Amino acid sequence: NAGVTQTPKFRVLKTGQSMTLLCAQDMNHEYMYWYRQDPGMGLRLIHYSVGEGTTAKGEVPDGYNVSRLKKQNFLLGLESAAPSQTSVYFCASRSYREGTEAFFGQGTRLTVV
Amino acid sequence: AQSVTQLGSHVSVSEGALVLLRCNYSSSVPPYLFWYVQYPNQGLQLLLKYTTGATLVKGINGFEAEFKKSETSFHLTKPSAHMSDAAEYFCASAGGYNKLIFGAGTRLAVHP
Repeated sequence: NAGVTQTPKFRVLKTGQSMTLLCAQDMNHEYMYWYRQDPGMGLRLIHYSVGEGTTAKGEVPDGYNVSRLKKQNFLLGLESAAPSQTSVYFCASRSYREGTEAFFGQGTRLTVV
Repeated sequence: AQSVTQLGSHVSVSEGALVLLRCNYSSSVPPYLFWYVQYPNQGLQLLLKYTTGATLVKGINGFEAEFKKSETSFHLTKPSAHMSDAAEYFCASAGGYNKLIFGAGTRLAVHP
């Protein structure tokens, strides 16, 4: 049982390049989340999804897009990367049942130069 | 608006001393509250959670937290710190609209 898997684990981008981060979960969870983690700022919610085909903005959505075409996958896209998007990105999934906790992937360390 | 505030970005204790990490929440609806721990270069692991019922919640590794609605707090404690407790700790709230919001984190250092 893999839980939540993020791909890739590390990436270096040049300013202006695009990329997609993939999150896959095998727990049949309805909710999925993308966060970024920066020193001293905790985890900030970028976008989230409450079900296949639905997405919503979080606290810091600018510069990112997401898609949830399949229930098990949640993709985070950067269309034109900027140095301010250098961060560690975490994906999480959670059941729709009230009070359930989120399960996290191991993170993607992204550097934009 | 839903928010979580962790008081103290860094806490340092001696091995064997009490650990107290503070968390206050703001929510328009009764929240579900969580404490997670993050070890270096790893993802987040659940320590404990409050949903409904008993306000004193026990978690893994000897940690516990008490939900106090009147103070909108959910502080994390451990009676006796161990060197292996050194990590970053995050408080989180799941309120309305299915959002899961985190505090800024508290880095715990444990010295001999």
